[in-house]
Amino acid sequence: GQQVMQIPQYQHVQEGEDFTTYCNSSTTLSNIQWYKQRPGGHPVFLIQLVKSGEVKKQKRLTFQFGEAKKNSSLHITATQTTDVGTYFCAGLRWVQAGTALIFGKGTTLSVSS
Amino acid sequence: NAGVTQTPKFQVLKTGQSMTLQCAQDMNHEYMSWYRQDPGMGLRLIHYSVGAGITDQGEVPNGYNVSRSTTEDFPLRLLSAAPSQTSVYFCASSYYRDRDSYGYTFGSGTRLTVV
Repeated sequence: GQQVMQIPQYQHVQEGEDFTTYCNSSTTLSNIQWYKQRPGGHPVFLIQLVKSGEVKKQKRLTFQFGEAKKNSSLHITATQTTDVGTYFCAGLRWVQAGTALIFGKGTTLSVSS
Repeated sequence: NAGVTQTPKFQVLKTGQSMTLQCAQDMNHEYMSWYRQDPGMGLRLIHYSVGAGITDQGEVPNGYNVSRSTTEDFPLRLLSAAPSQTSVYFCASSYYRDRDSYGYTFGSGTRLTVV
């Protein structure tokens, strides 16, 4: 079945450095979503990408969807301690009763000041 | 709006016991799903529903049962708890249009320990 792979699994940066996490799917995705989970918390929806080659920005966060709709990335510019958490990508998969969102294993970001 | 409400927040079960994790949403979302989260494994889909009366299995359905009698509620039943079911369980909901789903709203989770 469809798998969503995410790298790296962990990343530690100094505050102010940039950070990027990558997401790859074994099959073409109809859309891809990104979530952030703070330690001890629940996943919170960040953004959804639908179009091939789409790029969206949210302040210091830049999200990209690949031309083939099989890969995506999240880039954070000048990280802050508030960026700490695990970032998940999730791809939409066609299943029997409709669609289901399949998550990658996430990238855990730690930031030291 | 309360969003997605999960109860209980914490639970300890003995092996072989059964229980129901409750999930309710007040956003009139058609789509609801259950995930379990284990260290290093990300979020794995257990069961999902695209509307009242319609449910289907996800990636890891064994040992769990669901039903969807109303739009608002989507309970998850553990039939006979096993230590391997120790995990954090999240319920999520979203709009669902033309077989496409939108951003999920997650509940705060249920931390389950089976001893």
